[in-house]
Amino acid sequence: DAGVIQSPRHEVTEMGQEVTLRCKPISGHNSLFWYRQTMMRGLELLIYFNNNVPIDDSGMPEDRFSAKMPNASFSTLKIQPSEPRDSAVYFCARLRGPRQPQHFGDGTRLSIL
Amino acid sequence: AQKVTQAQTEISVVEKEDVTLDCVYETRDTTYYLFWYKQPPSGELVFLIRRNSFDEQNEISGRYSWNFQKSTSSFNFTITASQVVDSAVYFCALSADQTGANNLFFGTGTRLTVIP
Repeated sequence: DAGVIQSPRHEVTEMGQEVTLRCKPISGHNSLFWYRQTMMRGLELLIYFNNNVPIDDSGMPEDRFSAKMPNASFSTLKIQPSEPRDSAVYFCARLRGPRQPQHFGDGTRLSIL
Repeated sequence: AQKVTQAQTEISVVEKEDVTLDCVYETRDTTYYLFWYKQPPSGELVFLIRRNSFDEQNEISGRYSWNFQKSTSSFNFTITASQVVDSAVYFCALSADQTGANNLFFGTGTRLTVIP
């Protein structure tokens, strides 16, 4: 149990729609990471937060992507407007402790038609 | 530059065979950390192990063992007496940070299929 709940598990939507992915770290250290996994590019870090503050968002592909962490137990990744090339599996990960490795949620499989 | 190479794209073995998954890395950091993650068909990413660059001792956990050799920049993973449940994609990763924060570089993964 990684202690990270992601929702939805699957999302299918049409191009141009807004998509919001959710992550709830159940417990652990206050660092949270968003990754994207595609066949072409593998696993890529999009953004990570520490103490609810974005530390590095250089991996966010473009302005259509935004992420927030309003509190220690909730984060969102939003894509607006969505495009077919955004189709991927999006993972959220957290640390179980201050010097612990990252543990991942089950991911959200996103398909943009 | 940091880089992780998993040259084996796919491996198939028959159940109960031993299998080794290769991982070769490149880094200029003197302190670094190596990780293995497992992604079963259900899609989640499961943490398996983390090693730091100062600890070259091999590690064994049940049927799993890891061989870290700085001389060849390799961190290979062996599964002994493989089982069908071991079928998954296995990722090796490298970071200068023990948590992987900001710079967890993943290899492209090795898909292991264990045939009953």
